[in-house]
Amino acid sequence: AQSVTQLDSQVPVFEEAPVELRCNYSSSVSVYLFWYVQYPNQGLQLLLKYLSGSTLVKGINGFEAEFNKSQTSFHLRKPSVHISDTAEYFCAVLLRGSYIPTFGRGTSLIVHP
Amino acid sequence: DAGVIQSPRHEVTEMGQEVTLRCKPISGHNSLFWYRQTMMRGLELLIYFNNNVPIDDSGMPEDRFSAKMPNASFSTLKIQPSEPRDSAVYFCASSIDRGGEETQYFGPGTRLLVL
Repeated sequence: AQSVTQLDSQVPVFEEAPVELRCNYSSSVSVYLFWYVQYPNQGLQLLLKYLSGSTLVKGINGFEAEFNKSQTSFHLRKPSVHISDTAEYFCAVLLRGSYIPTFGRGTSLIVHP
Repeated sequence: DAGVIQSPRHEVTEMGQEVTLRCKPISGHNSLFWYRQTMMRGLELLIYFNNNVPIDDSGMPEDRFSAKMPNASFSTLKIQPSEPRDSAVYFCASSIDRGGEETQYFGPGTRLLVL
């Protein structure tokens, strides 16, 4: 069975600073990896996903993530955050051949002016 | 496309009452998921349908919960009788089967409060 750990429940940061949200997973088979964002009072929406190929994945709103197989990590980064990036971020893993992803507990990104 | 549509957006009811949550997936999507989100437990998968057939309902808490998908464009999640501990945000999500790398598209959620 797979699992996802988001190491930080909350990450406060000042506007225009860089940010990294951490995600580690465990799985004995190949996986697909996803980052979703949830703005207040909304559903989750896809930021980016890793399926195969280049380990650096670029998503919407200037976010990117790097798949590191040896460290089983898929950390999300943004070089300069905006107030509007304040939201909950979820990492998810999907076993190849499965249809049901496993979501992490989420990381609350709080951007201060 | 209108995206995944859920209704109602908010529901307040009294303990013991029946609650029905509704979901219309994105047209052409053949997988549908019901999730429950709480502060304590995070995002939990309740049930997964593929081509209108329930495939995995191991997340359904107990017999008070039931879900149906009578056709490709409609699903319901029913709680009968409701209890205060059922208070949560319930999300419906849909995806299209492309061999395992499906992106899930979430609805806006139904915020349920059981008094």
